[in-house]
Amino acid sequence: EAQVTQNPRYLITVTGKKLTVTCSQNMNHEYMSWYRQDPGLGLRQIYYSMNVEVTDKGDVPEGYKVSRKEKRNFPLILESPSPNQTSLYFCASSVGTGTDTQYFGPGTRLTVL
Amino acid sequence: GENVEQHPSTLSVQEGDSAVIKCTYSDSASNYFPWYKQELGKRPQLIIDIRSNVGEKKDQRIAVTLNKTAKHFSLHITETQPEDSAVYFCAASSRGGYNKLIFGAGTRLAVHP
Repeated sequence: EAQVTQNPRYLITVTGKKLTVTCSQNMNHEYMSWYRQDPGLGLRQIYYSMNVEVTDKGDVPEGYKVSRKEKRNFPLILESPSPNQTSLYFCASSVGTGTDTQYFGPGTRLTVL
Repeated sequence: GENVEQHPSTLSVQEGDSAVIKCTYSDSASNYFPWYKQELGKRPQLIIDIRSNVGEKKDQRIAVTLNKTAKHFSLHITETQPEDSAVYFCAASSRGGYNKLIFGAGTRLAVHP
């Protein structure tokens, strides 16, 4: 089954404790991205990747890192999480660019205390 | 940078009525305008999209119209049903088209039986 998966789905952590949210797709998509969803603000892009080893900042990249060592995986890293990073995070992938249909993962609800 | 404004933020209709959601964008180079539907607790999913070379696109009960001169586009849902209840996001491409989407803040649509 073609899909985008994220882990974990729910995470409660404390300020400053490094964490990684994994994202994987099995559709051989070139484009992958991370969004955060906050009430009243819609979906805001954190980082995106056009292909392996090619990443770029989205609109809200501060406090986040990403890597794209393999085509199928695009982990999101929070080196020192803070409470303002409490949010619902979605990974998405598409065939080639940001203007192709985005296939979203199930979401990761992160709470930073 | 690109900005996408979406109205209304909430919309309540009776089953069978029509619903219209409007978005405006700021980047005249935007050329791709998708709409995503997010049911409660679920991931966003593409329901319809339009590119700048057409003014209207229809798929059964949903349609999207685009006015490039005025830089606005709208989602029209006819004969609404309770299963249409969800949050709807519009988006517009940025940086001349290919690398990212800018999403609106979302419209929560409630269809009452």
